[in-house]
Amino acid sequence: GQQLNQSPQSMFIQEGEDVSMNCTSSSIFNTWLWYKQDPGEGPVLLIALYKAGELTSNGRLTAQFGITRKDSFLNISASIPSDVGIYFCAGLGGSSNTGKLIFGQGTTLQVKP
Amino acid sequence: NAGVMQNPRHLVRRRGQEARLRCSPMKGHSHVYWYRQLPEEGLKFMVYLQKENIIDESGMPKERFSAEFPKEGPSILRIQQVVRGDSAAYFCASSPPTSGYNEQFFGPGTRLTVL
Repeated sequence: GQQLNQSPQSMFIQEGEDVSMNCTSSSIFNTWLWYKQDPGEGPVLLIALYKAGELTSNGRLTAQFGITRKDSFLNISASIPSDVGIYFCAGLGGSSNTGKLIFGQGTTLQVKP
Repeated sequence: NAGVMQNPRHLVRRRGQEARLRCSPMKGHSHVYWYRQLPEEGLKFMVYLQKENIIDESGMPKERFSAEFPKEGPSILRIQQVVRGDSAAYFCASSPPTSGYNEQFFGPGTRLTVL
């Protein structure tokens, strides 16, 4: 079945640093979504990408839909303590176009003040 | 402007009992999805429903699990005769009919513990 490989698995950075994480797949996706999950809560949608090559920003967050439709990255600029959490990429569509989101394993981000 | 609501937030069951998880989608949303998350893992798709219809249940275990989204009322995920391996966080998501299933908004989840 479809799988997403998300990296890095965890990051420990200093406040103010930029962060980059990415997801790759052997399958094509029609939509890429990036979520953030805080402990004990559900994932919160950060950015949605719909077209290959699309670059979208949401405040300090920037995400891109890879041109091959098999990858996506998320950048966080000037990190702050509240950026702490688990970030998930999720892909939708491709061969299984039924609303089934495929999630990456997550990137745990820790920010040192 | 309430988001996706799930209850209960925490549920404890003994082996062999039934677990019933409820999800109320965001106002105006007619698509509901259920996902399961084991500790330290990403979410795994279980089932996709529209009002009174199951669209895709490819992620549902063949036995003991069922889901419904009736014309009136919340969506229900039912787990019969629970076992310890069912312990997980169960998340519901919803999306509006106009965007199809591209943007799924998640509820806070139900944490099921099976003793």
